[in-house]
Amino acid sequence: EADIYQTPRYLVIGTGKKITLECSQTMGHDKMYWYQQDPGMELHLIHYSYGVNSTEKGDLSSESTVSRIRTEHFPLTLESARPSHTSQYLCASSDPASAFTDTQYFGPGTRLTVL
Amino acid sequence: AQSVTQLGSHVSVSEGALVLLRCNYSSSVPPYLFWYVQYPNQGLQLLLKYTSAATLVKGINGFEAEFKKSETSFHLTKPSAHMSDAAEYFCAVSEDTDKLIFGTGTRLQVFP
Repeated sequence: EADIYQTPRYLVIGTGKKITLECSQTMGHDKMYWYQQDPGMELHLIHYSYGVNSTEKGDLSSESTVSRIRTEHFPLTLESARPSHTSQYLCASSDPASAFTDTQYFGPGTRLTVL
Repeated sequence: AQSVTQLGSHVSVSEGALVLLRCNYSSSVPPYLFWYVQYPNQGLQLLLKYTSAATLVKGINGFEAEFKKSETSFHLTKPSAHMSDAAEYFCAVSEDTDKLIFGTGTRLQVFP
């Protein structure tokens, strides 16, 4: 059972504010991911990381940035929040369980509303 | 590019009835397929995954899925629905070793 945590769970904030969404996992997983999920829609990968000091952009373009200074921590930052950033953000991590593909474990998500 | 299609954004069944959630994929290489469940206000939880070991995959909570290459399908089933099965279900296909491509999800409602 994977333990992956996200804070805050809910955030309502005004336009122009800087925000950081926290994601931490306690399994020592090298790979971590951020997904964006709009209501009734599929998840879209916006960032991922292979390990410390590694960050890559995902398939969906995002104005957010990420950092990976520690294995267990993968925060996502929006320098200036806008209403178009309103969405649910899901963090995931994975451990190479096989030679080809990994199982991703998800956190509970942060539901962000920008007014 | 790989993709996933989930037929039916909403499925309603009576408690005790068969659950069938449909998923079709497109892939130019042998795929790795997943079903995830998302309960309200929670993250995604892995139900089961197909990694070419066996075509019939058994998961948690009594769910199973069968990989049918000829039909490019990976439908999720459960013989008898329970009220606690009400949730959103996502089918996903892996792209290389790191990325999951998700379907749009199917919301399952279970009526008493």
